[in-house]
Amino acid sequence: TQLLEQSPQFLSIQEGENLTVYCNSSSVFSSLQWYRQEPGEGPVLLVTVVTGGEVKKLKRLTFQFGDARKDSSLHITAAQTGDTGLYLCAGEVFNKFYFGSGTKLNVKP
Amino acid sequence: EADIYQTPRYLVIGTGKKITLECSQTMGHDKMYWYQQDPGMELHLIHYSYGVNSTEKGDLSSESTVSRIRTEHFPLTLESARPSHTSQYLCASSEWGPRSSYNSPLHFGNGTRLTVT
Repeated sequence: TQLLEQSPQFLSIQEGENLTVYCNSSSVFSSLQWYRQEPGEGPVLLVTVVTGGEVKKLKRLTFQFGDARKDSSLHITAAQTGDTGLYLCAGEVFNKFYFGSGTKLNVKP
Repeated sequence: EADIYQTPRYLVIGTGKKITLECSQTMGHDKMYWYQQDPGMELHLIHYSYGVNSTEKGDLSSESTVSRIRTEHFPLTLESARPSHTSQYLCASSEWGPRSSYNSPLHFGNGTRLTVT
């Protein structure tokens, strides 16, 4: 069973467009992280959110943690080709991290 | 700037061979993990360790074994490789967070892509 559901699974957009990726669960998490992974490499941390309702911004990326700490979203403004990659959310439960299935983002020039 | 190293990066071996995937980190992290990932898919936890001489199985059943004799080293061994073991294996580490209620995030190595023929 999948603890974390990510949507959409695939996303192909033009450079300059905005997009939102969702990460949903019925479980409550101590923290939630977003990672980005490029082919042939390990995931790299983008952000950690801890408090329900928390919003964090990282340049053109905005991350939000749901009030109940069960879900999260990642919004990218004016996507660039360098944003292409696999975006993974991971929720922490009892000292273990559970990953979503990922969103493959392709930003076309 | 990688502080967690995995070797080899790629490995192609025949069925029945014994293999060890190496993972070392220089950050002094107590916690280390092994994840299995099929290309572009989610990560599944197969082993973890909270410190020296501590190892636990993860949520995905695996025929591999691990050991943690030194803080910095967390090797994974397959006694007899099979084609079903073909996958990418990612090692990660983390430390206890600033508050006891949550932990610091994962630092990943670049993975070992294993192919068993």
